[in-house]
Amino acid sequence: AAGVIQSPRHLIKEKRETATLKCYPIPRHDTVYWYQQGPGQDPQFLISFYEKMQSDKGSIPDRFSAQQFSDYHSELNMSSLELGDSALYFCAGSMGAGEQYFGPGTRLTVT
Amino acid sequence: ELKVEQNPLFLSMQEGKNYTIYCNYSTTSDRLYWYRQDPGKSLESLFVLLSNGAVKQEGRLMASLDTKARLSTLHITAAVHDLSATYFCAVLFGNEKLTFGTGTRLTIIP
Repeated sequence: AAGVIQSPRHLIKEKRETATLKCYPIPRHDTVYWYQQGPGQDPQFLISFYEKMQSDKGSIPDRFSAQQFSDYHSELNMSSLELGDSALYFCAGSMGAGEQYFGPGTRLTVT
Repeated sequence: ELKVEQNPLFLSMQEGKNYTIYCNYSTTSDRLYWYRQDPGKSLESLFVLLSNGAVKQEGRLMASLDTKARLSTLHITAAVHDLSATYFCAVLFGNEKLTFGTGTRLTIIP
């Protein structure tokens, strides 16, 4: 069965650079969520989209932005990267408010 | 603000023993999830608990939910090494975002 796809799986950036993470939910899943998990931490909700509209916002820095496209994939754009942005970034997809299915994650390392 | 607390944070147990992980949350919620995470890996859904008194079992793991006490438990029976991982509970609140517990890092010792 098709699963959630995230790309890239690993990303190394330097401070002050930009990064774009992509998420492709399972077909027909119209809702996307982004979570950030720091080393040894629990995942923290960043932002979510339903039908291309932002539906909720969590602890997402102003340096980050995200959007959902007409094919329901989503991109998380991160600018002016800081060392503290190093983390695992998960996206999850769902059909409406149904169960969230998590992707494999993107490991971002900022040096 | 919704708070989700797990205990213990770290658990080291011998193979063959039983133990329980606890998850308390502060506000009424519609759904509670249990996830397993191996180091550097994604979150694997174990259980979805929807109603008061719900109990679900899969292999050596059993989860239960008491919505009145705002408490969920994950019980491990006759632990085996393969169960070593970090376990998170997560509560669905508000606009469908998940709030995760602090996680319990479980190590099974042969």
